[in-house]
Amino acid sequence: KAGVTQTPRYLIKTRGQQVTLSCSPISGHRSVSWYQQTPGQGLQFLFEYFSETQRNKGNFPGRFSGRQFSNSRSEMNVSTLELGDSALYLCASSFGRGDEKLFFGSGTQLSVL
Amino acid sequence: ILNVEQSPQSLHVQEGDSTNFTCSFPSSNFYALHWYRWETAKSPEALFVMTLNGDEKKKGRISATLNTKEGYSYLYIKGSQPEDSATYLCAFGLTSGTYKYIFGTGTRLKVLA
Repeated sequence: KAGVTQTPRYLIKTRGQQVTLSCSPISGHRSVSWYQQTPGQGLQFLFEYFSETQRNKGNFPGRFSGRQFSNSRSEMNVSTLELGDSALYLCASSFGRGDEKLFFGSGTQLSVL
Repeated sequence: ILNVEQSPQSLHVQEGDSTNFTCSFPSSNFYALHWYRWETAKSPEALFVMTLNGDEKKKGRISATLNTKEGYSYLYIKGSQPEDSATYLCAFGLTSGTYKYIFGTGTRLKVLA
């Protein structure tokens, strides 16, 4: 079956702009979670969606937001970009039970200039 | 602040050597412990999900143990091969219902031929 698909793979933006990243989960998976990876840091949890509802969120400013559609696809939006937002953004999908493996996409590498 | 620590940060071993890494996590509010392998230019791939104290998992030459009372998990690789070179991540899942995972910064393994 098809894996988790993230688009775009690479993105270059300037400070102050906004960006939208997309994540299509594995068919049948209803949970999508988002993570930020910066050099020297572990994967930082952003938020998790299940059946179009945000179930949990990490400690990120309100500039980071997300949503999930009825087909389980999810988008993440970052407004008013800052240099520190440059990172690899990964999404992961699962059935949403909480005790199962996460399946990760290849990520979107965001560079903010 | 919940913290997951992995050691060592990086490791170089010779082909054929056996090795192990440690993941330390909070001993309270435990729900699940995940191990992932992340190869360069690929997506993190799940190795194991463990939920019970004393749990042991095995997949080929790789195995893992779990001690929830003292808050640690070990990952063992027997007879390391160059293809085992990757970053190994552990993730601590909080109490059921939170759907949030806290990742360690990983152990970077390089197996020299």
